Amino acid sequence: EIVLTQSPGTLSLSPGERATLFCRASQSVSSSDLAWYQHKSGQAPRLLIHGASFRATGIPDRFSGSGSGTDFTLTISRLEPEDFAVYYCQHYESSCTFGQGTKLEIK
Amino acid sequence: QVQLVQSGAEVKKPGASVKVSCKASGYPFSGYSLHWVRQAPGQGLEWIGRINPDSDDTIYARKFQGRVTLTRDTSINTAYLDLSRLTSDDTAVYFCTREILVVPVAGGPFRWFKPWGQGTQVTVSS
Repeated sequence: EIVLTQSPGTLSLSPGERATLFCRASQSVSSSDLAWYQHKSGQAPRLLIHGASFRATGIPDRFSGSGSGTDFTLTISRLEPEDFAVYYCQHYESSCTFGQGTKLEIK
Repeated sequence: QVQLVQSGAEVKKPGASVKVSCKASGYPFSGYSLHWVRQAPGQGLEWIGRINPDSDDTIYARKFQGRVTLTRDTSINTAYLDLSRLTSDDTAVYFCTREILVVPVAGGPFRWFKPWGQGTQVTVSS
């Protein structure tokens, strides 16, 4: 079973700054099976990136994804106030696993 | 528009079972698999399993096997999560979500979850 480890656990930044979130898989995975979600308390998760680097429809271009093999990155180029949330990477092939999440909080 | 609407909050006693529904609209129900994911208080997202509404085929996370049953009623475009032998550890918000599968000519296939239901709070307490 694939295990996804996200880092850091918590990231404290200010609006306008750049955020870099990491997701490491326990073994090499296909990029096409890697997605990123944003989750705010009391809301449904929101798809940001699929196929490791493809922005979902309606997602601002300040969000970008990259990586391959075991190491993947989600970058938010300039943080807006609404970007502060918890972010999860996900691997789904025959079964699905999520990373433990990175909480992006206002500094 | 594509929408998943879940049933309301539930309060159950330890040892009981709970059944949560997820009604789909805005797309052909049998054409897309549906997954269930939960989030316990202070915890991350946890995948429970998936049902293919067309074939009725199911896959469950190892942790839930023997305790979870996913079903669907194609006549009313609704999927169900049935979780038995509840404990306090099952207190969580439960989400249903639709799987999108894209098989391009080259590369892929690509899979992701969109949209998600609004979530159903299940509380297990004596």
